[in-house]
Amino acid sequence: NAGVTQTPKFRILKIGQSMTLQCTQDMNHNYMYWYRQDPGMGLKLIYYSVGAGITDKGEVPNGYNVSRSTTEDFPLRLELAAPSQTSVYFCASKTGGGRPEAFFGQGTRLTVV
Amino acid sequence: EDKVVQSPLSLVVHEGDTVTLNCSYEVTNFRSLLWYKQEKKAPTFLFMLTSSGIEKKSGRLSSILDKKELFSILNITATQTGDSAIYLCAADNTNAGKSTFGDGTTLTVKP
Repeated sequence: NAGVTQTPKFRILKIGQSMTLQCTQDMNHNYMYWYRQDPGMGLKLIYYSVGAGITDKGEVPNGYNVSRSTTEDFPLRLELAAPSQTSVYFCASKTGGGRPEAFFGQGTRLTVV
Repeated sequence: EDKVVQSPLSLVVHEGDTVTLNCSYEVTNFRSLLWYKQEKKAPTFLFMLTSSGIEKKSGRLSSILDKKELFSILNITATQTGDSAIYLCAADNTNAGKSTFGDGTTLTVKP
């Protein structure tokens, strides 16, 4: 059981470039989330989805976009990368039922130079 | 605005010591309080507490939730070097299961 899989693990972008962070889960979870974690800080919610075709903004959505065309996939798109987007990005999923704990991917370390 | 505050931000102890990590929260439509452990990579789930006064135990770790005073504590007894990690507290609400995370407590256990 793979759980939540994120790719890539590391990436260096130049200012103004774009990229997509991939996230796939095989647990048939309805809820999926994208977080960013800056050094010494907790997790900040970027976007979330409660099911295929439904997405909504979190605390820090500016500069990002998401889509949810299937239950399994929840890619995060960075347009016009900026140094402020240097961070570690985590994708997570939950069942949406009685158990609230999240299952996390291994993270993507992104550096914008 | 939902808010979770953890203290202390960092802690250094020696093996065998007992530590107490604190978490206070202000969250609308609160459902659960969760504790996660993060060692270098992704957070992993430790505890979920939904009712006040209920103490969860798992080996040397235990946690209590006080829904009246809006706080939780995580206790670790007889600490080991393998307990070194960032401990994250998160308050879960009923709106799409969104969690608000604190900034974490970085625990370092020295031999």
